Amino acid sequence: GENVEQHPSTLSVQEGDSAVIKCTYSDSASNYFPWYKQELGKRPQLIIDIRSNVGEKKDQRIAVTLNKTAKHFSLHITETQPEDSAVYFCAASITGNQFYFGTGTSLTVIP
Amino acid sequence: NAGVMQNPRHLVRRRGQEARLRCSPMKGHSHVYWYRQLPEEGLKFMVYLQKENIIDESGMPKERFSAEFPKEGPSILRIQQVVRGDSAAYFCASSLRPGTDTQYFGPGTRLTVL
Repeated sequence: GENVEQHPSTLSVQEGDSAVIKCTYSDSASNYFPWYKQELGKRPQLIIDIRSNVGEKKDQRIAVTLNKTAKHFSLHITETQPEDSAVYFCAASITGNQFYFGTGTSLTVIP
Repeated sequence: NAGVMQNPRHLVRRRGQEARLRCSPMKGHSHVYWYRQLPEEGLKFMVYLQKENIIDESGMPKERFSAEFPKEGPSILRIQQVVRGDSAAYFCASSLRPGTDTQYFGPGTRLTVL
């Protein structure tokens, strides 16, 4: 099956700086890559997703890039704010029946 | 439009008891997925169901765990004879269509086995 690796596991940035989280996947058939944000004790919330026919997608301060050849995708958050502090999970899906999640990145934005 | 609902939010069971976790998908969604999250770990897929059918249960433990999604009512994840290692957060998600469609997550049920 698919294997998704996520780095770093923890990330601290100063407010206003950028944060980058990277994920790699193993199965070249994966074609859907969502990113979820999970605050402590709460449900995962979809923040952005990208499909394999697109190389980059942006939504205000959040962007995701996909390199199909290298089988990696990244989340970029610019102008970070304290409310961006959370655990971020990447995922990859082949059929959409199940998502294979990374192990998460705990992001702390220091005011 | 109400989101995915799960109940109970917290469930405490003693070893050997049964745990029943319920999930009501978003209105109009007929595809339900169950995931388990151990402390400080990612989400692990367990099972994918459509109404009255189990489509993919490749992530379900072979024993003690079962799931259903009846024609009427919520999806149920059932854990028989719980053990301490079953303590985790169990999330369900739903989607409008199968395939690479957005999955919306419920608030989770936190199961504690004493």
